Amino acid sequence: QVQLQESGPGLVKPSETLSLSCSVSGGSISGYSWSWIRQPPGKGLDWIGYFSYNGDTDYNPSLKSRVTISVAASENKFSLRLSSVTAADTATYYCAREGRFGEFDYWGQGTPVTVSS
Amino acid sequence: QSALTQPASVSGSPGQSITISCTGTSSDVGNYNHVSWYQQHPGKAPKVMIFGVTIRPSGVSTRFSGSKSGNTASLTISGLQAEDEADYYCSSYTTGGTPYVFGTGTKVTVL
Repeated sequence: QVQLQESGPGLVKPSETLSLSCSVSGGSISGYSWSWIRQPPGKGLDWIGYFSYNGDTDYNPSLKSRVTISVAASENKFSLRLSSVTAADTATYYCAREGRFGEFDYWGQGTPVTVSS
Repeated sequence: QSALTQPASVSGSPGQSITISCTGTSSDVGNYNHVSWYQQHPGKAPKVMIFGVTIRPSGVSTRFSGSKSGNTASLTISGLQAEDEADYYCSSYTTGGTPYVFGTGTKVTVL
């Protein structure tokens, strides 16, 4: 059974960089696309970006200038960096795997991040 | 890329059937069969209930079914149960600025 686990600080100061990692167990990170998705408090899901199975990355245009997603295949984990954060970046951040039909078939439990001084 | 449109809330009594709509455009729902539905209970991660418009993952109740007509996808929950009370989101591939787009979300209440 594939399991995903997010980790990182729960509190980030405005203008600083948010850094999260997602560890994958029970399966290889290779051959799949891996996404970061966030959900502001009381709001809907918002796709941030992904590391594709073919090595490409793609990001939500609204965040593109501030986002970097990278993969450490040897460690079976991938990471998110979001720079110059503001209160609008306060959300629960999820990592997820894309299945064969474009669905997100496995999700981490989510990690809440608050941007505040 | 605009979010797919879902009703804010849908309610039904135990045993009834309800349907949640997910309206997009010819750039997303109308152009792909990569439509999926997610159930999210408070404080929990979303769980895929339907993918590929109509496919139910192993372990998901047969009371959940999906369909699509034109630019609108639908999720039907039959034999509504208390445990079905949750938020539901649709998602689709899109040719817009992002490869994926989510719906606005629907809160299902079991009366």
